[in-house]
Amino acid sequence: KAGVTQTPRYLIKTRGQQVTLSCSPISGHRSVSWYQQTPGQGLQFLFEYFSETQRNKGNFPGRFSGRQFSNSRSEMNVSTLELGDSALYLCASSSAGGSSGANVLTFGAGSRLTVL
Amino acid sequence: QKEVEQDPGPLSVPEGAIVSLNCTYSNSAFQYFMWYRQYSRKGPELLMYTYSSGNKEDGRFTAQVDKSSKYISLFIRDSQPSDSATYLCAMSGVDSGNTPLVFGKGTRLSVIA
Repeated sequence: KAGVTQTPRYLIKTRGQQVTLSCSPISGHRSVSWYQQTPGQGLQFLFEYFSETQRNKGNFPGRFSGRQFSNSRSEMNVSTLELGDSALYLCASSSAGGSSGANVLTFGAGSRLTVL
Repeated sequence: QKEVEQDPGPLSVPEGAIVSLNCTYSNSAFQYFMWYRQYSRKGPELLMYTYSSGNKEDGRFTAQVDKSSKYISLFIRDSQPSDSATYLCAMSGVDSGNTPLVFGKGTRLSVIA
């Protein structure tokens, strides 16, 4: 069973540019979550999509956006990049569809973004 | 105060030692408690999770939850160099579909052969 696949694995951008990151969840998983990981702040929740709808959103500016397609694949976009956006962006999928039970996340290896 | 506090370490122990990793939290609504392990250049992987209070054992790993103290622990017995990684605690409410996992910052562990 293939795991969570994130592309690209590494990328370098300059301030002001935008970036799109892609995530393919585990087959059958309908929930996709995105996290930002930095040494100073750890893992911070960006947003979660379930069946193409954003179900939860973290405390990030509107420059961070995402979407989910009908095949559960997800993308996140960061516009007008800032130096502080340099981080590891992690995508995780889950089979949890209901409102109860443990929301066990399976993570991808991440996309490491460097903003110069 | 952050919802979940975790000592970042680094923690260095000799092979065979018992390791204790801990997190404290402030949100009394948390009911699911998880431990993830993250190797360098990899994403976090789930080690184990518990619901509410109590202990759970899986091989060399034991997770403990003390809800009265809002304190959770992960013990690693007979630690091995392959256990060297960053360990992240994570928590969510019982309505996990509507409350995302909240993570600690992680504790970096090195097990020296």
